[in-house]
Amino acid sequence: EAGVAQSPRYKIIEKRQSVAFWCNPISGHATLYWYQQILGQGPKLLIQFQNNGVVDDSQLPKDRFSAERLKGVDSTLKIQPAKLEDSAVYLCASSLTEGVTYEQYFGPGTRLTVT
Amino acid sequence: GNSVTQMEGPVTLSEEAFLTINCTYTATGYPSLFWYVQYPGEGLQLLLKATKADDKGSNKGFEATYRKETTSFHLEKGSVQVSDSAVYFCALSDQPGGSYIPTFGRGTSLIVHP
Repeated sequence: EAGVAQSPRYKIIEKRQSVAFWCNPISGHATLYWYQQILGQGPKLLIQFQNNGVVDDSQLPKDRFSAERLKGVDSTLKIQPAKLEDSAVYLCASSLTEGVTYEQYFGPGTRLTVT
Repeated sequence: GNSVTQMEGPVTLSEEAFLTINCTYTATGYPSLFWYVQYPGEGLQLLLKATKADDKGSNKGFEATYRKETTSFHLEKGSVQVSDSAVYFCALSDQPGGSYIPTFGRGTSLIVHP
């Protein structure tokens, strides 16, 4: 089966610019996650969707970050305006459904550099 | 809130050495525990998991036992190979307020020399 797809793989922007990332989860997976992974740290959950509803976005900086999952499939994460500290790898993951036992499948990530 | 603490890396070993990577956690509920691995240039992938106390997860020669009394989930392997060189992440999934929220540790880099 096809894995989690993300694009672009790399992005370099200047501070105050905007950027968007796209994620296509594994077919049939109801739960989708966006993480921020800063160099040397573990992934930090930004937002979690169950189908097209938000389950948790408590760690999403809502003044500059937004995310949507239209029709419960693909998702986009946007940053506007970007700051230097947003430089990180943005990971998308999906799981069959919500639950403590379900494993997550990760995409390759998008490496963002803000200059 | 929930948290996962892993031992600092990098861990450097010779081939065929014994590996232990320590992981402890705090959780408000009864979490499931996971180890994910990230090989160079690749995305994270599940290595093993355990969903209740005293369960042992195992895969590719790696093992970890869910110890509720010590809130630990240490990763072990009896004989490492060069191909095991990667970053290992301990993680939990809990339901603190009705939603299943995953939490990851910082990751531990393993370097295995021939």
